[in-house]
Amino acid sequence: GAVVSQHPSRVICKSGTSVKIECRSLDFQATTMFWYRQFPKQSLMLMATSNEGSKATYEQGVEKDKFLVNHASLTLSTLTVTSAHPEDSSFYICSATTGANSGNTIYFGEGSWLTVV
Amino acid sequence: KQEVTQIPAALSVPEGENLVLNCSFTDSAIYNLQWFRQDPGKGLTSLLLIQSSQREQTSGRLNASLDKSSGRSTLYIAASQPGDSATYLCAVTTGNQFYFGTGTSLTVIP
Repeated sequence: GAVVSQHPSRVICKSGTSVKIECRSLDFQATTMFWYRQFPKQSLMLMATSNEGSKATYEQGVEKDKFLVNHASLTLSTLTVTSAHPEDSSFYICSATTGANSGNTIYFGEGSWLTVV
Repeated sequence: KQEVTQIPAALSVPEGENLVLNCSFTDSAIYNLQWFRQDPGKGLTSLLLIQSSQREQTSGRLNASLDKSSGRSTLYIAASQPGDSATYLCAVTTGNQFYFGTGTSLTVIP
């Protein structure tokens, strides 16, 4: 079946540095990808929606200059956390869908645990 | 805006007990509902997917029901095992986006 691969699964970075997380659809073309964030003991919250070749749409309260989402190809989206701070430490997960129609199957990556020290 | 709530937030049961996790959502216009499992430090594992036209789905010891009109779903786990200890999330889709519940943290005591 369809697989979405997320890399890295775990990353530790120093405060002030930037870190990039990749989300790849391995056997299908993902026209739309989503990025979620989960703080401890809270639910997953949508951060941004990206469509291949266009600018990402960010949810209210998400700093677009800090969380850069790029969807450069139909199989790859990246989330870059710029100038990371300890409060950015969280679980980030992506999902991908094959089309823009409602009800299309959405596949999830396995998630990335970011720790900023 | 769709809101998804899960009750209880945490649950601790002895091994072998049957248990029910609850999920409620405010907008009944959903396309499907999905239950996930999340282990500490791990990603999401999809457990069961119920389409809006379905009322339940079963997989092994797991049974999920859906009552779309009342905005409720339950996840029934039979004969619980210590390996079932994890956080269980429900999520609904009203389009291409998922709306997640807050999760239920389950601990099964040997």
